[in-house]
Amino acid sequence: EAQVTQNPRYLITVTGKKLTVTCSQNMNHEYMSWYRQDPGLGLRQIYYSMNVEVTDKGDVPEGYKVSRKEKRNFPLILESPSPNQTSLYFCASSPSSLLAGYSADTQYFGPGTRLTVL
Amino acid sequence: QKEVEQNSGPLSVPEGAIASLNCTYSDRGSQSFFWYRQYSGKSPELIMSIYSNGDKEDGRFTAQLNKASQYVSLLIRDSQPSDSATYLCAVNGYSSASKIIFGSGTRLSIRP
Repeated sequence: EAQVTQNPRYLITVTGKKLTVTCSQNMNHEYMSWYRQDPGLGLRQIYYSMNVEVTDKGDVPEGYKVSRKEKRNFPLILESPSPNQTSLYFCASSPSSLLAGYSADTQYFGPGTRLTVL
Repeated sequence: QKEVEQNSGPLSVPEGAIASLNCTYSDRGSQSFFWYRQYSGKSPELIMSIYSNGDKEDGRFTAQLNKASQYVSLLIRDSQPSDSATYLCAVNGYSSASKIIFGSGTRLSIRP
């Protein structure tokens, strides 16, 4: 089944304890992205990757790291989590990074990871 | 000014009527426009993408794009209770076409 998977789905942690949220897609998609969703603020892009070893900042990259060593995986790393990173996180992937005419492709979302930092 | 603006709602529409959802964006060079539906506690799923001015229809859904007015809308005909959800408008940037900006969403409620 074609899908984007995220692990863990739920995580409660404490301030300063490094954590990684994994994201994997089995569709051979070029583009992958991380978002956080907060009430009233909608989805905000954290980082995106146009292909292996190519990553770029979204709107809210502070406090996060990513890597894209393989096409299928795009982990999100919080080196020193803080309570303001408590949020619902979504990973997404797209078949291509750019369509003709600098258009973006459709994104397919993972199930989400609900993170609480105490 | 937010880059992508939507009325947060809730928008209440009677069953069987037309629901009209609106979105404005600030980047005049944006090329790609998306409508996603998100049920409470679930991930967003694509309803419609539109890249050219005009209307695009898919079943009960019609997306309308007016680049001159920087406006994109979604019409849902014959609204059903299962259409009750939050609808997210998303737009890509021109200077960074791979960067996607989402609006904060409009909550739609279909009343029987």
